[in-house]
Amino acid sequence: EAGVAQSPRYKIIEKRQSVAFWCNPISGHATLYWYQQILGQGPKLLIQFQNNGVVDDSQLPKDRFSAERLKGVDSTLKIQPAKLEDSAVYLCASSPAAGYSETQYFGPGTRLLVL
Amino acid sequence: SQKIEQNSEALNIQEGKTATLTCNYTNYSPAYLQWYRQDPGRGPVFLLLIRENEKEKRKERLKVTFDTTLKQSLFHITASQPADSATYLCALDMYEGGKLIFGQGTELSVKP
Repeated sequence: EAGVAQSPRYKIIEKRQSVAFWCNPISGHATLYWYQQILGQGPKLLIQFQNNGVVDDSQLPKDRFSAERLKGVDSTLKIQPAKLEDSAVYLCASSPAAGYSETQYFGPGTRLLVL
Repeated sequence: SQKIEQNSEALNIQEGKTATLTCNYTNYSPAYLQWYRQDPGRGPVFLLLIRENEKEKRKERLKVTFDTTLKQSLFHITASQPADSATYLCALDMYEGGKLIFGQGTELSVKP
């Protein structure tokens, strides 16, 4: 079974530029998550999708971050404009369903550096 | 305020010993607690899940305890090996929609 795929793996941009990340979850997984992991910290949930609907985006900085999951499969996360403090690893995860006790399967992450 | 805290210092132990990692939380009421392993440059990998009404869970050399009165989970790796060296994350598994709230992680180093 193929795992969660993410691209690109690394990205370096100047502040105020825009950037987009892509995620392809495990086939058949209904729930998709985007996390931000700052160096030395645990992952912080940005947004959770159930199929193509948003379940939780309470910690997404909506003035600069946006995410979509068209057709309930792939997802993109965009930052526009980027700030220095956005430097982090952006992790995508998926799980078969929503609800507690579900194991989440993580991709390798995209490491973003904002200069 | 709500907090979840793991051992702040890195843990260095000798091969063959038991590693014990701590996860404490305040002002949360999780349904479950999960433990993940994260290697450098990789995403977290699920290890174990324990329910709020379970005291202990085991899987091979791993053991997790969960005390909802103390609001604490302990994660043990027995007969530790250098290959166990990684960062270990605890995550509170909340009733609302499966949201996970992660601690900051504890870096474990097992020396041969």
